[in-house]
Amino acid sequence: KNEVEQSPQNLTAQEGEFITINCSYSVGISALHWLQQHPGGGIVSLFMLSSGKKKHGRLIATINIQEKHSSLHITASHPRDSAVYICACAGNKLTFGGGTRVLVKP
Amino acid sequence: NAGVTQTPKFQVLKTGQSMTLQCAQDMNHNSMYWYRQDPGMGLRLIYYSASEGTTDKGEVPNGYNVSRLNKREFSLRLESAAPSQTSVYFCASSESQGGDTQYFGPGTRLTVL
Repeated sequence: KNEVEQSPQNLTAQEGEFITINCSYSVGISALHWLQQHPGGGIVSLFMLSSGKKKHGRLIATINIQEKHSSLHITASHPRDSAVYICACAGNKLTFGGGTRVLVKP
Repeated sequence: NAGVTQTPKFQVLKTGQSMTLQCAQDMNHNSMYWYRQDPGMGLRLIYYSASEGTTDKGEVPNGYNVSRLNKREFSLRLESAAPSQTSVYFCASSESQGGDTQYFGPGTRLTVL
């Protein structure tokens, strides 16, 4: 079993829909990161959180430390949100989930 | 600021050839990392440097060597390339090791024939 599991692996949504990506982990962490990788390949850090909830634009990330679970929500999804979203747990180093490929259709 | 830069962007090698991937950051970060990304495997840590003058193995170090040349630069060397090293390689940096946000370079796509 991987230390960091994401679900779903793939997700297709219609423009405007609400999207949720889940991340469960079994390692001890000091923080959890959500990353976005666009089709061109570049990786960008979206959030770093150690408790509660963070919001940036249409993106919301939450974490429940007791349940070892985090979610990334995209509200009012748009085709430009199409990307791979990666959860990474920070202990001594980052441990990555396998990513969720999101496709938003117009 | 350029952030994290990597060279080259693309490279094709024959089995047994050697090459060095270069990485530099201009954010005065202490920690730097090399990852590889393979389809279905996610990102895996090859080596990291928590601070200038130190390097440590990550999850998949075999077949690679690294040099932290100075605070800005962290290079990855393949001494004798193998087809199993065909991958996309990312360099990243962060202010310190552990939980800090990591900033990624654009990646190097390496094919070993």
